[in-house]
Amino acid sequence: DTGVSQDPRHKITKRGQNVTFRCDPISEHNRLYWYRQTLGQGPEFLTYFQNEAQLEKSRLLSDRFSAERPKGSFSTLEIQRTEQGDSAMYLCASSLDRSEETQYFGPGTRLLVL
Amino acid sequence: QKEVEQNSGPLSVPEGAIASLNCTYSDRVSQSFFWYRQYSGKSPELIMSIYSNGDKEDGRFTAQLNKASQYVSLLIRDSQPSDSATYLCAVNPHTDKLIFGTGTRLQVFP
Repeated sequence: DTGVSQDPRHKITKRGQNVTFRCDPISEHNRLYWYRQTLGQGPEFLTYFQNEAQLEKSRLLSDRFSAERPKGSFSTLEIQRTEQGDSAMYLCASSLDRSEETQYFGPGTRLLVL
Repeated sequence: QKEVEQNSGPLSVPEGAIASLNCTYSDRVSQSFFWYRQYSGKSPELIMSIYSNGDKEDGRFTAQLNKASQYVSLLIRDSQPSDSATYLCAVNPHTDKLIFGTGTRLQVFP
């Protein structure tokens, strides 16, 4: 399978715990994006990387959220001190190295904070 | 005004009919437009991309773009029950991120 992969697919945690999600993009894609989707809404942009550089962060991304892409390949998204409002589907997408290029989505990580 | 607007539906059409899904956007400098299909509990999958005014056809799908009216649509011909899903319109306003509408839920009944 050469598509975008994400791990884990599901995560249940208690409020206040930290969680980390991983995304592996399509191998030749330099750009990697994180989105969050709640029920009944479209995905909302969180942040994106071009290679290892984090180029933009949404105002949605509070200081409890941090994302890294240390070697320009896979990326991690960490949420510290989770809150019930963090419950959502976290989607990763990747694309070639131009802004108008199509973004291909991974299967997502569904987070439930109890 | 939302940046990308879609009717949430549901849009119900009989099998074999044409389903017409519409989307308007607010940012005039937007250059690229995408339709994604999302089944319940799954992630979005690309249906069509369109960059120029006019129609773009791919199998049973036709995307239509009118930049002057800030309007993009998706037509699905010969609709099948398997087309029942939420269709997300996404716009790239040349800011390297996609802005999504809330999606239109399509129901195709036999």
